[in-house]
Amino acid sequence: GAVVSQHPSWVICKSGTSVKIECRSLDFQATTMFWYRQFPKQSLMLMATSNEGSKATYEQGVEKDKFLINHASLTLSTLTVTSAHPEDSSFYICSAIGFGLAGATDTQYFGPGTRLTVL
Amino acid sequence: QKEVEQNSGPLSVPEGAIASLNCTYSDRVSQSFFWYRQYSGKSPELIMSIYSNGDKEDGRFTAQLNKASQYVSLLIRDSQPSDSATYLCAVNPGTSYDKVIFGPGTSLSVIP
Repeated sequence: GAVVSQHPSWVICKSGTSVKIECRSLDFQATTMFWYRQFPKQSLMLMATSNEGSKATYEQGVEKDKFLINHASLTLSTLTVTSAHPEDSSFYICSAIGFGLAGATDTQYFGPGTRLTVL
Repeated sequence: QKEVEQNSGPLSVPEGAIASLNCTYSDRVSQSFFWYRQYSGKSPELIMSIYSNGDKEDGRFTAQLNKASQYVSLLIRDSQPSDSATYLCAVNPGTSYDKVIFGPGTSLSVIP
């Protein structure tokens, strides 16, 4: 149980283009999904929290117009990096919590991550 | 500001030894505590969660929680080279049931 998938696992794009990353909870309903970014040898950095059917809550310093988050269903959240630039190259990881799992509902389960490279 | 602190390491232990990873947190009302393992280039995976004072064992892993001291630790018995990874401590500060704060992680290296 508690499987979270992400697609794509890696993507290379040109500067100025937009990239969409999908995060899905496969065997449970995710009431809340989180998006993290991690640069090499650095800690996880929370970008935003999204609840199904609501607008995402962004952490301080994260541009909401650049990182568009949609959580349209209880099993799918998307992150769109708009007008990507080389400095956006990073490892993007989603996580989810929800119901339909044994145990507490505040445990985050992570997707495998998406490695974005912007040329 | 709510904080979760860990020694960054690297922590090196010989194969077969006990690895001890420590974590302190600042918010006294925190209720939920988690340990994650992250291999290089991969996403974090949950090792275990702990909610009550005392020890919780799962295979070779034991989590210890002391709320009075605001301290949580992870012991890995019979350490294996495959345990070499970064270990992340995460704490739910209790203000929002769904949001946790991650520590910076401790890098563990198990030497064969």
